[in-house]
Amino acid sequence: GQNIDQPTEMTATEGAIVQINCTYQTSGFNGLFWYQQHAGEAPTFLSYNVLDGLEEKGRFSSFLSRSKGYSYLLLKELQMKDSASYLCAVRNDKIIFGKGTRLHILP
Amino acid sequence: KAGVTQTPRYLIKTRGQQVTLSCSPISGHRSVSWYQQTPGQGLQFLFEYFSETQRNKGNFPGRFSGRQFSNSRSEMNVSTLELGDSALYLCASSLLGQGKLGQETQYFGPGTRLLVL
Repeated sequence: GQNIDQPTEMTATEGAIVQINCTYQTSGFNGLFWYQQHAGEAPTFLSYNVLDGLEEKGRFSSFLSRSKGYSYLLLKELQMKDSASYLCAVRNDKIIFGKGTRLHILP
Repeated sequence: KAGVTQTPRYLIKTRGQQVTLSCSPISGHRSVSWYQQTPGQGLQFLFEYFSETQRNKGNFPGRFSGRQFSNSRSEMNVSTLELGDSALYLCASSLLGQGKLGQETQYFGPGTRLLVL
């Protein structure tokens, strides 16, 4: 079967760093996405990894290890507006989403 | 560039009815995917259309169907609605959807929130 696992919830403090992990077992792999979704809104694209390594984009970075079926999203200098759900998704012949990690930011 | 638009934004139906949802992709995007999002199951893939052809299909019953028009606009239809069909239906468009770097990103519309009573 195809499976994407990520923690259900995480809590972090404003200004800190948080790492959200995602492990996947899928038949085929054509890339991994991270999306952010605020409550009541549509998901918005954060990052796309198709090769191993770290991709940095401002305060957000995403890492991929294809051999380990593992990715993480790193958020630095956390702000209150980063409180949202973060969705990991893998593309093979379709895009499969994890159930998302709800991130709570404390002041 | 205008984003992905979906209509209607909210809908209330009763069991047994059917519903049609519409999605207009970003101009120039040829791939449209549909997802169902519920609190318990997260985002689940329904189907993907590319150049008017259904390219992939998720594990949903035949009551769920869709189509894409020559202008890339897409519709999805749910017949014989059940209470469990209450969900947020999201449409996402991408340029090609074929795994090409930089062209793979999906952009989501605001969704249609369907309530089945």
